[in-house]
Parts: sequence; C-alpha cells; structure tokens
Amino acid sequence: AQSVTQLDSHVSVSEGTPVLLRCNYSSSYSPSLFWYVQHPNKGLQLLLKYTSAATLVKGINGFEAEFKKSETSFHLTKPSAHMSDAAEYFCVVSDGGSRLTFGEGTQLTVNP
Amino acid sequence: DADVTQTPRNRITKTGKRIMLECSQTKGHDRMYWYRQDPGLGLQLIYYSFDVKDINKGEISDGYSVSRQAQAKFSLSLESAIPNQTALYFCATSDFAVRTLSYEQYFGPGTRLTVT
Repeated sequence: AQSVTQLDSHVSVSEGTPVLLRCNYSSSYSPSLFWYVQHPNKGLQLLLKYTSAATLVKGINGFEAEFKKSETSFHLTKPSAHMSDAAEYFCVVSDGGSRLTFGEGTQLTVNP
Repeated sequence: DADVTQTPRNRITKTGKRIMLECSQTKGHDRMYWYRQDPGLGLQLIYYSFDVKDINKGEISDGYSVSRQAQAKFSLSLESAIPNQTALYFCATSDFAVRTLSYEQYFGPGTRLTVT
C-alpha cells in the first residue's frame, strides 16, 4: 500500500521569499514520487519527478525537490516565490506501476 | 491542440439524470484513467484502463461506469446522477518512459460537473 501526506493544507509567502511545501510518503516498494501543480481552473501539470536516480530533482519554473529515504520525505522548494506560483500543489506517489496516489494538496498563496 | 481533451468542460444536470463525460487523447498511450477531485481530498481514482479490453475499478467506482471505445477514447458515465457526485473530473493517460523507467500521467483540463 502507498500513501502520501501533505503536511500543510495552506502556505502563504511573500513574493521573493523561499517556498517550502512539505510531503511525506509511505510505500512498500521503491517509490516514484511526483509534484503536480494546478492553477485555478486549469488541469494538472507535472512539475518534477523522482524515479530512483539523483535524489535532488530539478523541475520547471525553478522548483526542486529532494528525496530523503531516511525521512520518507519529498519536500518541494523554490528559492524565490513569484506571483505566478500561486496555485495548488499535489504530492503524488507511485509504487512503480502506473497507478498514482495523490496527497490532499497544498494551496500556495503569494503575497505582493 | 491539446493532447488530452475532455468534453464537456462544464455541465449542470439534475438528480437522476444519466450523463456521460468523454475523454480523447492523441498521445497514443494505452493507459487511461478517470479521477474526481473534491476540495481538500486531492484526486481519487474512479476507473482505469490498460488497454481496450482491460478495465479496472479504482478507489471510488460505485455509481460510475466506463467505456473504452478505442485506444484514444475513454468515457465515464453516471447512470443516475446524485448531488454528491458534484465534483471536478479529470481524465489522464500514461505510458512507460524508458528514460526514467517510470510511468508519467498527462491530464486533461477537467470537467466541472454540478448535480442539482
């Protein structure tokens, strides 16, 4: 069985400050992990994914995430938030098959 | 043109009505999925199909049915809609990426369904 816990349902930052969105996972296998972003009234877009290669994964729009097996975490970070980053972010785990398990989402607000 | 399209994008229907949501893809992927999204719950898997003859129930299939008419088309039906099926519905496709030895899902834009 696999599961994902996003530790914050809402995160609010000021423009230009760092972003940290936290995610812990549980998986019986070596997992694949993903972060997806959903902008208002839009579909889901893949930000980045971890698939057992480098533990520090770089994605689009300056985001990156670090896979820490000992902590079962896959936190998403960005050094400097932009207004266009305001969206909902989903941490997702897969056991290597094509079925995904989604976290409940973190709403990111970026204040001017 | 979008690789994964969904029709309709918005629909309001009454309790007890039958409704079909359609999904088409031009990515050539064998695997297709239907999810529903409710506020604060993330996405939950309704049904998935690994090819035209292989259809499987997901976590929340009760009250829904699907049809895989072709590799490119996967439809979701609500035989008798009820208000708690009001949600945002997403279709997705996936294929195996040899470079990363993993599956990656590609999502449609979503269908917002309201059952009154």
